[in-house]
Amino acid sequence: QKEVEQNSGPLSVPEGAIASLNCTYSDRGSQSFFWYRQYSGKSPELIMSIYSNGDKEDGRFTAQLNKASQYVSLLIRDSQPSDSATYLCAVISSGSARQLTFGSGTQLTVLP
Amino acid sequence: GAVVSQHPSWVICKSGTSVKIECRSLDFQATTMFWYRQFPKQSLMLMATSNEGSKATYEQGVEKDKFLINHASLTLSTLTVTSAHPEDSSFYICSAPMGLAGGSEQYFGPGTRLTVT
Repeated sequence: QKEVEQNSGPLSVPEGAIASLNCTYSDRGSQSFFWYRQYSGKSPELIMSIYSNGDKEDGRFTAQLNKASQYVSLLIRDSQPSDSATYLCAVISSGSARQLTFGSGTQLTVLP
Repeated sequence: GAVVSQHPSWVICKSGTSVKIECRSLDFQATTMFWYRQFPKQSLMLMATSNEGSKATYEQGVEKDKFLINHASLTLSTLTVTSAHPEDSSFYICSAPMGLAGGSEQYFGPGTRLTVT
């Protein structure tokens, strides 16, 4: 069973702080990694994709990938109340034909 | 803007009736689409993989005769919930990979909220 694990939270940070979300995966052959944001009652929205080791930055978001440790993270700088949502880590495992395996999600609350 | 659309966004139907949900990729072709179901406060559950020109692949425990999937074209997949019952009430979401590469980014439709009375 290929698994993706996240801390379920809830995670609370004050407005303006850095929110750090973590994810580990079990399939060492995984090559594609994604972070989605899901507001309550809405469908997931793609925030970041990362395919190689290191950091990838997009605005206030930075994704970090460490394949040796099988670890992927998402940092949100200058957190805003509008960032309050559930963040889903998703992985395309080896041999899965583009099928995403999701973590259970981390609920983030940014306190004004 | 949205790259995957779904219709309808919500539907209420009576027990025993059938409901069809459409998923369209906008401005790109999708040979594969995925159908998910999400119950309140739970994570997404993959129901099936929709393949253009061939039969859908269903996940274990999903009844293929109840959840009919038709991938009629490179931009349209439909999910029909047949003989719906109250326990089928859920949030149904489709997704489509944009691109032919194996690790292509996947985009989700806005979802369809089904309520069976």
